Amino acid sequence: KQEVTQIPAALSVPEGENLVLNCSFTDSAIYNLQWFRQDPGKGLTSLLLIQSSQREQTSGRLNASLDKSSGRSTLYIAASQPGDSATYLCATSSGGFKTIFGAGTRLFVKA
Amino acid sequence: EADIYQTPRYLVIGTGKKITLECSQTMGHDKMYWYQQDPGMELHLIHYSYGVNSTEKGDLSSESTVSRIRTEHFPLTLESARPSHTSQYLCASSRTGATNEKLFFGSGTQLSVL
Repeated sequence: KQEVTQIPAALSVPEGENLVLNCSFTDSAIYNLQWFRQDPGKGLTSLLLIQSSQREQTSGRLNASLDKSSGRSTLYIAASQPGDSATYLCATSSGGFKTIFGAGTRLFVKA
Repeated sequence: EADIYQTPRYLVIGTGKKITLECSQTMGHDKMYWYQQDPGMELHLIHYSYGVNSTEKGDLSSESTVSRIRTEHFPLTLESARPSHTSQYLCASSRTGATNEKLFFGSGTQLSVL
């Protein structure tokens, strides 16, 4: 059974700092991995999707990498801003309806 | 921007009431989902649908029911709400396509049962 773990559970950084969020998963037989952003009391917004055949995806200041063999993904945020404060979740999909979510990393960027 | 809508955003009701949480999407997606999320915790799948007249229970046991009479509409019903049902309910949709199947979420319904 797939398990997705995100470390750290919470992170506080000063504005402008580059940071890395970690996601690990136990079963490497995945179709894709998605990173989401969730603001308090809101739904999830998809940030990046990495297909199983890809190593990384980039969107603006965000870069996500995927290493299936080691069961790891990272989300790199460059030049963090207070508006980046949110919870970031990763989720693996093994096809069909088998999408497993991590509990998220709560990020706070101090102005 | 995703076109998936949930109503109401917040709902406070008494024990024993029947409630329906609405979810609609305008993207023509075939698959739709309901997830339950408690604060600081993972999302858990409670119901999903492959398409019209197709509904299945997810991994998390739930006393709710769903229907899919139209492609765009996937309401969730609780016949008799209890305090244990207090949670955030998130609706999502996606288009069938194995490796690039992106999930789109609504804004959620925060349910409180007194």
